Amino acid sequence: DAGVTQSPTHLIKTRGQQVTLRCSPKSGHDTVSWYQQALGQGPQFIFQYYEEEERQRGNFPDRFSGHQFPNYSSELNVNALLLGDSALYLCASSFDPDTEAFFGQGTRLTVV
Amino acid sequence: AQTVTQSQPEMSVQEAETVTLSCTYDTSESDYYLFWYKQPPSRQMILVIRQEAYKQQNATENRFSVNFQKAAKSFSLKISDSQLGDAAMYFCAYKSNAGGTSYGKLTFGQGTILTVHP
Repeated sequence: DAGVTQSPTHLIKTRGQQVTLRCSPKSGHDTVSWYQQALGQGPQFIFQYYEEEERQRGNFPDRFSGHQFPNYSSELNVNALLLGDSALYLCASSFDPDTEAFFGQGTRLTVV
Repeated sequence: AQTVTQSQPEMSVQEAETVTLSCTYDTSESDYYLFWYKQPPSRQMILVIRQEAYKQQNATENRFSVNFQKAAKSFSLKISDSQLGDAAMYFCAYKSNAGGTSYGKLTFGQGTILTVHP
């Protein structure tokens, strides 16, 4: 079992560009959550997908959007990148929203 | 909204000694979970220990134990016989079990960097 895998591991983008981050959940998991972790801070909840629908959303602007595919993998899209979007983006998966979340190793996004 | 506070930005401990990391939280709910996660330099968040709010008994996992004080909204982590591999950033986290808009979402504290000295 490969666990939760995220790609890419590192990414550098220019301000104003758009970026797509990807997450494959742990085998058998159908719920995917995304978190943003600024340097030296705790992760902040972005949104959660369950059964291909966005079930919950944190306090993030509409520039942050996502999708969950029928195989439960997920994408996080960020439009019109700002310098402040530079962070580690973590994906977590679980059997359902109530069970233990397993995290991937994250994607380090740098906006220049 | 729930909040989680970790008041110790950094802690250090000698190998084989015991250290306690502090966490307080604020919630109006009665049904929730509390967690301690470890994040080493590899960046992957690893679950250390979990406590269900309705259970009075403090959770224990090998060298890791918690002191859960529900009335005081306090949830500290004790690491016994500290090892070099325990060095990491530790996060306290809250998850509602009450349904509604907070269901399934983890709310994290700011983290405590733990250094273990040989």
